Amino acid sequence: EPEVTQTPSHQVTQMGQEVILRCVPISNHLYFYWYRQILGQKVEFLVSFYNNEISEKSEIFDDQFSVERPDGSNFTLKIRSTKLEDSAMYFCASSQDQGGTGEQFFGPGTRLTVL
Amino acid sequence: GESVGLHLPTLSVQEGDNSIINCAYSNSASDYFIWYKQESGKGPQFIIDIRSNMDKRQGQRVTVLLNKTVKHLSLQIAATQPGDSAVYFCAEIKNTGNQFYFGTGTSLTVIP
Repeated sequence: EPEVTQTPSHQVTQMGQEVILRCVPISNHLYFYWYRQILGQKVEFLVSFYNNEISEKSEIFDDQFSVERPDGSNFTLKIRSTKLEDSAMYFCASSQDQGGTGEQFFGPGTRLTVL
Repeated sequence: GESVGLHLPTLSVQEGDNSIINCAYSNSASDYFIWYKQESGKGPQFIIDIRSNMDKRQGQRVTVLLNKTVKHLSLQIAATQPGDSAVYFCAEIKNTGNQFYFGTGTSLTVIP
């Protein structure tokens, strides 16, 4: 069964450093998403991406964040200058159809620890 | 056993009993709802969805009920099994959008 994969599973970085979290969505999916989950809290939407551009983003997704689909398979989330409060699980998801009509499949997540 | 969702974030049930997990959603314009299951160390996993033009939908051992009048969603799990132990989130979305809003979640523990 096809699945969303994410690398690395755990990323440790120093405050102020740039990190890139990588995702490989399901191959025939057209919509891609990033979410984060701070420990013990709910899953929060960051951004959705379609047709090589951001379609929606939340207020969490400020200028420190960017997304890219550099090739036909990867979907990346970059945090330019990490802060302590960026420590969280980051989940990538993909769907065949727009969010309101299609199931989103989630990856296993990348745990980001900012020291 | 029954949970009031955001107010009682933990629920323990005996194996074989039925579980009811509740969720109060916030946006009256939301028209698509999903229940997700999240096991420790894993990403959310789709369980069942329902559109706002329905008030009940059944899957295998799971039933979702939607009450739009009071903006309430519930997940019923029949004959709960140890493998059902997880955190359960409801999520809402407007049909024209891509932004899912997740609830806080309810932790279900099944006692063998």
